[in-house]
This record gives sequence, C-alpha cells and structure tokens, in this order.
Amino acid sequence: AQSVTQLGSHVSVSEGALVLLRCNYSSSVPPYLFWYVQYPNQGLQLLLKYTSAATLVKGINGFEAEFKKSETSFHLTKPSAHMSDAAEYFCAVTPSGNTPLVFGKGTRLSVIA
Amino acid sequence: KAGVTQTPRYLIKTRGQQVTLSCSPISGHRSVSWYQQTPGQGLQFLFEYFSETQRNKGNFPGRFSGRQFSNSRSEMNVSTLELGDSALYLCASSTGTGGGTDTQYFGPGTRLTVL
Repeated sequence: AQSVTQLGSHVSVSEGALVLLRCNYSSSVPPYLFWYVQYPNQGLQLLLKYTSAATLVKGINGFEAEFKKSETSFHLTKPSAHMSDAAEYFCAVTPSGNTPLVFGKGTRLSVIA
Repeated sequence: KAGVTQTPRYLIKTRGQQVTLSCSPISGHRSVSWYQQTPGQGLQFLFEYFSETQRNKGNFPGRFSGRQFSNSRSEMNVSTLELGDSALYLCASSTGTGGGTDTQYFGPGTRLTVL
C-alpha cells in the first residue's frame, strides 16, 4: 500500500528565504507523485507532478521538487518565499493515473514579513 | 477551459438528514473522484466514477454513495447525517485513462456542516 509522510505540520519562513517542504513516500511500484497547494476556503491546486520523465520537476509559482528514489523523497522547494505562498501544501502519491491519490497530512506554510 | 465546479459551496444540515452534493468535471474528463477533508483525518478518498461506473471505493460506510451521469457529472449522497460528517467535500476530475499524463484537477469543494 502507498503512503505519504510530510515532516512538519507547520513551517514558518521569512519573506525571501528558502522554502523547503519535506515529503517521503512509500510505494511498492514506481509512483506518480504530486504536490498540491490549498489556499483558505479553496480547493486543491496542482503545483507540480513527477511522472518519471525527469527527476527534477518544475512547477508553477517558482516551485520545484526533486524525486530521489534512494531516499524515497520528493521534497518541494522555492528559492525565495513570497507572502502569497502562505497556504497549506499537500504531497500525494498514486501507483498509476487511475487509482486514488493518497495524501500526506499537509504542511502549513507561514511567511513572515 | 472551465474548471471543476461544485454546488452548493456551503451547506448546513441537521443530524439524521440526508444531503446531495454535485460536481461538474472539466469538459472531456470522464473520471470523477470524491474526497473528504477534515482537520483530524486529512484528505480521504471516498470513491471514483468512470464512464458511469464506480471504479474505486474508499473505506467509508454505506451511508456514503455516489453516481455519475452520461455527461460525466457526478453526485454524492450522504444519508442519515452524523456530526462527524462535517467536512469539506472535494471533487476531482481527470481523463481517467491512467498513466503519467493523467492528473486530477480539484474543484473548490462543498463545506458541509452538520448540527
């Protein structure tokens, strides 16, 4: 069975600082991995996804994530945080495109001016 | 292209009542999935419909049911509401074909409050 662990339920960074949100997965087959962002009172917006084409994946709003098979990780980074990045971020895994997404518990990102 | 739409956005019900939520997928998408989001349990998969057939089902009681119509629109129903059913219900649509090109796109959700 697949599972996702997001380390840190809350991360706080200063505006302009590096953002690093951690995600480790467990999967019996090569997975598809996703990062979604959720702003207050909204649904989930896709940031980026890994589908085995390239280990470094670039997404929207300056975010990127690197797939590391040896570490079973898919951490999300952004070089310089902006106030508008404050939101909840979810890592998700699925063994194939037509099976349910399994989500981590989420990490709430706060950006301090 | 229009995104996933969900109606209503907010709903207040009392225990014992039933409720129906609606989801219209992105045009051309044939798969609709439903998820429940609560502070305690996080995001949990309810069920998925593809071409009017339930293809996957999560671990929820039979009070939770759904269906999909020929135009891919989907509804989910919760009968005999309990306080613990208060949650944000999210609908996601995808092509349903699987593989790396398939991605689930989410709607804004329906916030259900059970009193």
